[in-house]
Amino acid sequence: KQEVTQIPAALSVPEGENLVLNCSFTDSAIYNLQWFRQDPGKGLTSLLLIQSSQREQTSGRLNASLDKSSGRSTLYIAASQPGDSATYLCAVSLVTGFQKLVFGTGTRLLVSP
Amino acid sequence: GAGVSQSPRYKVAKRGQDVALRCDPISGHVSLFWYQQALGQGPEFLTYFQNEAQLDKSGLPSDRFFAERPEGSVSTLKIQRTQQEDSAVYLCASSSDARNSNQPQHFGDGTRLSIL
Repeated sequence: KQEVTQIPAALSVPEGENLVLNCSFTDSAIYNLQWFRQDPGKGLTSLLLIQSSQREQTSGRLNASLDKSSGRSTLYIAASQPGDSATYLCAVSLVTGFQKLVFGTGTRLLVSP
Repeated sequence: GAGVSQSPRYKVAKRGQDVALRCDPISGHVSLFWYQQALGQGPEFLTYFQNEAQLDKSGLPSDRFFAERPEGSVSTLKIQRTQQEDSAVYLCASSSDARNSNQPQHFGDGTRLSIL
């Protein structure tokens, strides 16, 4: 059974810091890995999707890497801002099961001004 | 609308009542997913539709949970004889092409269900 783990569970940083969120998964048979952002009381916003054949994806201040063989992904946020405060979720899309997503429990990020 | 729409946003029901949660996916999206998110946890898969066909219902926690998408667009998740452990946020997601596994899923804001 695929299991996804995210560390740390919570992170508090001052504005301007660069930071790394970690995600690990137990089964490398995935189609892709996605990073989502969730604001309180809201749904999920897709940030980055890395296909299983890719090593990384970038969008603005965000960079996500994927090492499928070791079952790891990182989300790097450069020059953090208070507006980045949210919960960040990592999810893998299974090869079996019509690409349903298996999620980690998230990292709750607080960026202080 | 441009995004996935879910209604109601909040639902309070007494234990034992039946509830129905609605999802309007992005127009033209073939794939539709339902997830359940408990407080402080990541979402967990419930069921998947490709057009009107329910192809995977392996995540439904009991036979009290039923989902349908009769015309391949709007979907309804029904929970019968609700119990307190059903309290959670129910999220709906859609994606554009079932054959292209690298299309992202687009999520609605969810329905927060509270069972008293």
